[in-house]
Amino acid sequence: DAGVIQSPRHEVTEMGQEVTLRCKPISGHDYLFWYRQTMMRGLELLIYFNNNVPIDDSGMPEDRFSAKMPNASFSTLKIQPSEPRDSAVYFCASSGLWGETQYFGPGTRLLVL
Amino acid sequence: TQLLEQSPQFLSIQEGENLTVYCNSSSVFSSLQWYRQEPGEGPVLLVTVVTGGEVKKLKRLTFQFGDARKDSSLHITAAQPGDTGLYLCAGTGAGSYQLTFGKGTKLSVIP
Repeated sequence: DAGVIQSPRHEVTEMGQEVTLRCKPISGHDYLFWYRQTMMRGLELLIYFNNNVPIDDSGMPEDRFSAKMPNASFSTLKIQPSEPRDSAVYFCASSGLWGETQYFGPGTRLLVL
Repeated sequence: TQLLEQSPQFLSIQEGENLTVYCNSSSVFSSLQWYRQEPGEGPVLLVTVVTGGEVKKLKRLTFQFGDARKDSSLHITAAQPGDTGLYLCAGTGAGSYQLTFGKGTKLSVIP
């Protein structure tokens, strides 16, 4: 299995631009998680999906952030408009069942100038 | 909100030395996990502990869950350069499998 795939691996953009991060979970996994990692706050859960349905988005920092999962093999995290404080590494993870091991992708390193 | 404090934040040691890193909270956790994260990669699960007082061993790594399930430790014997990385602990609360992560201990093992 290829594992969780994320793209792009690196993104540099200017403040105010729209940013879209993409994730392909492990085939057959029912749960998909989006996390953000910064030095100051560590690894934080933003939102998670079960069978493509958003279950808990309480970690999404503000309305500028949105996430979708149109099918079982694809999810996006969008930031519009982006701000410098959004600079972080964004991880996608998936798991087969609730409580099972979460497998993380390699992350997208975002820099907003 | 359940918080996990990890210490030390940074640790640099010579190859062959032993070390212990800690994960502490004022809250009780149903389970606690330890991950290792290498630069440019996502965290990888090392172990899950669920019972107070539980000890698990993974080669040179020994994980312990506190009796009160509020703290955990990771001990590495005879550290190797390949052990270098960010060690994260993460806990789940009662009735939930959502993970709360600590900020991690960044370990450097010098050859």
